[in-house]
Amino acid sequence: GAVVSQHPSWVICKSGTSVKIECRSLDFQATTMFWYRQFPKQSLMLMATSNEGSKATYEQGVEKDKFLINHASLTLSTLTVTSAHPEDSSFYICSAPLPGRGNNEQFFGPGTRLTVL
Amino acid sequence: GNSVTQMEGPVTLSEEAFLTINCTYTATGYPSLFWYVQYPGEGLQLLLKATKADDKGSNKGFEATYRKETTSFHLEKGSVQVSDSAVYFCALRNSGGSNYKLTFGKGTLLTVNP
Repeated sequence: GAVVSQHPSWVICKSGTSVKIECRSLDFQATTMFWYRQFPKQSLMLMATSNEGSKATYEQGVEKDKFLINHASLTLSTLTVTSAHPEDSSFYICSAPLPGRGNNEQFFGPGTRLTVL
Repeated sequence: GNSVTQMEGPVTLSEEAFLTINCTYTATGYPSLFWYVQYPGEGLQLLLKATKADDKGSNKGFEATYRKETTSFHLEKGSVQVSDSAVYFCALRNSGGSNYKLTFGKGTLLTVNP
C-alpha cells in the first residue's frame, strides 16, 4: 500500500525554539496533505490542510503564525512549530489521500512526538 | 457539526473472546464511516469502511455495519488474537466534493492477552 513517512519520529526542544516536522508521501504524489494533533487519550484534531502550490487552510482556533505549513512539492509538506512552548507538546500526525482511489482513503504517517521543555 | 463518540477504553480481552467497540456519530447529510487501527509505533491504517446506510465493511475478521437509524457503526470481531492489540479509531467523512476531512473519535485501546 501507499506509504507516508514523517521525520523526525520524536523531538525534544527548549522553550522558544522552532521545530520543523516533515511529512513525505513515498510512492505517490499528494496535492493535499493533512496535519493532525493528538493529545494523550484524546482524538486526532485536524489542524490544517496543506495544499501544494497554495496557502494552507487552517481549522478554527489554530494559529497560522504559530504553526507554519509549507507544501514544498507534491511529495513533501512541512509543519514548523514556531517559538515552541510546553503546551505545544503533543503527537503530530500527517496524512495524505491517495489519488485515483476515490475520495475515501487516506494514508497516515507514523506521527512525531514533540516535547517542549 | 460532525462528531464521533466511541466507547472509552481500555478494553482488555482474552484471546478468542468476542469484541465489540461501540461507535455513534452526528453528522449532516450522508457521511462515509471508517474504522482505523493504530498498532504500537505505527501510523493509522484503514481497517474497514462503509459509504452508505446498511453497508457492511469487513476486513481481517472485523466487521461493522452502517446503521443510519441508530447513527451507529459498531466494530465487532468474533475471536480476537493477541496481534489485534492496538488503538481503534472510528471516523466519519462528509460525502461529496474533494473534501477529505475526517472527524475522529477518541480511540479505544484494545489489549488481548494470550
